Amino acid sequence: KNEVEQSPQNLTAQEGEFITINCSYSVGISALHWLQQHPGGGIVSLFMLSSGKKKHGRLIATINIQEKHSSLHITASHPRDSAVYICAVSFGNQFYFGTGTSLTVIP
Amino acid sequence: DAGVTQSPTHLIKTRGQQVTLRCSPKSGHDTVSWYQQALGQGPQFIFQYYEEEERQRGNFPDRFSGHQFPNYSSELNVNALLLGDSALYLCASSLRSGRYNEQFFGPGTRLTVL
Repeated sequence: KNEVEQSPQNLTAQEGEFITINCSYSVGISALHWLQQHPGGGIVSLFMLSSGKKKHGRLIATINIQEKHSSLHITASHPRDSAVYICAVSFGNQFYFGTGTSLTVIP
Repeated sequence: DAGVTQSPTHLIKTRGQQVTLRCSPKSGHDTVSWYQQALGQGPQFIFQYYEEEERQRGNFPDRFSGHQFPNYSSELNVNALLLGDSALYLCASSLRSGRYNEQFFGPGTRLTVL
């Protein structure tokens, strides 16, 4: 069993739609991370959360520590948001990654 | 400020060969972690280096080894390459004393084993 589960695995949306990607984890964590990976491989860190909610432009990330659950929301989605979104949790110096959600936003 | 850099960007090897991948951490970072990402999968932790020593290791065979230099840069070595070693190899750097160990990722090295 993977320590980090993401859903959905694949997501296709029309431009402008509101998007939600979910992440559940089973281990105690010090922080949860949302990462974005574009074709070609490079990973960019979007958010690092230990509680509550963070917002950056059209991206919003929330975490519920009691329920061991986090969501990444994208408002007014755009084709340039197309990428793989990966949820990861850190415990000490160890990272555990989900398998990612592949998002395609159609114009 | 340069972020995490990795070299080479792409590499093609044949089974049985050996490969060395390189990583330079973000300025000010002292810890380097290596990950293997197979196609369609999330990254898998290989090992982490701090103070020139391997501090933690994931579930990878001894064919995977590494090194960290005094300037904090790091190498990942893979011996006796197998077809299944084909993957994107990601390096991430962090500050050991950082509160949440935020990691910054490099662009990766894509290794193809034929």
